[in-house]
Amino acid sequence: EIVMTQSPATLSVSPGERVTLSCRASQSVSSNLAWYQQKPGQAPRLLIYDADTRATGVPARFSGSGSGTEFTLTISSLQSEDFAAYYCQRYNNWPPLFTFGPGTKVDIK
Amino acid sequence: QVQLVQSGAEVKKPGSSVKVSCKASGGTFSNYAISWVRQAPGQGLEWMGGIIPIFGTAHYAQKLQGRVTITADESTSTAYMELSSLGSEDTAIYYCARGKRGLDYWGQGTLVTVSS
Repeated sequence: EIVMTQSPATLSVSPGERVTLSCRASQSVSSNLAWYQQKPGQAPRLLIYDADTRATGVPARFSGSGSGTEFTLTISSLQSEDFAAYYCQRYNNWPPLFTFGPGTKVDIK
Repeated sequence: QVQLVQSGAEVKKPGSSVKVSCKASGGTFSNYAISWVRQAPGQGLEWMGGIIPIFGTAHYAQKLQGRVTITADESTSTAYMELSSLGSEDTAIYYCARGKRGLDYWGQGTLVTVSS
């Protein structure tokens, strides 16, 4: 079973800063990786799929990179609306299986 | 515009079962994978399982195998998730979501509370 880990668990950041979040898989997931943003009281929102492809409507300040076991979500200049929890998720082509990482909470410094 | 609308909140006794529905509109229901994801209070996201309606076969997270059943009714564009032998640890918000390479549309969530 593939296990996903994320670091750090919490990140305190000032608006305007560059943010880098890490996600690691216990074995290769190729580029089958997605990133989500979740704000309190809301459903998650897909940001990135296929490791580096922005979902529809996602601002260009969000970018994803990596393949295999190491992945990164970068927010180039953090905006006030970006304070949230971020989850990575690996997916399998067939059978369709998904595994979430434990998440990183980005809060205000 | 794709919409997923879930059934309302539930309060269940320990040991009972719950069945949550997820009605899709605005897209082709049968060809897209529907997943169920839950989130316990203050915790992260947990994928429970999913189904591609046109194939009809569901796949489940290992941890929940034997307790969760996911089905889909193509005639009403509705997916269902049934969880049995409920315990307090199953108190959570349950979401349905659509997608295969990432989950791009989500339901509003259904709060299931397990309490005696």
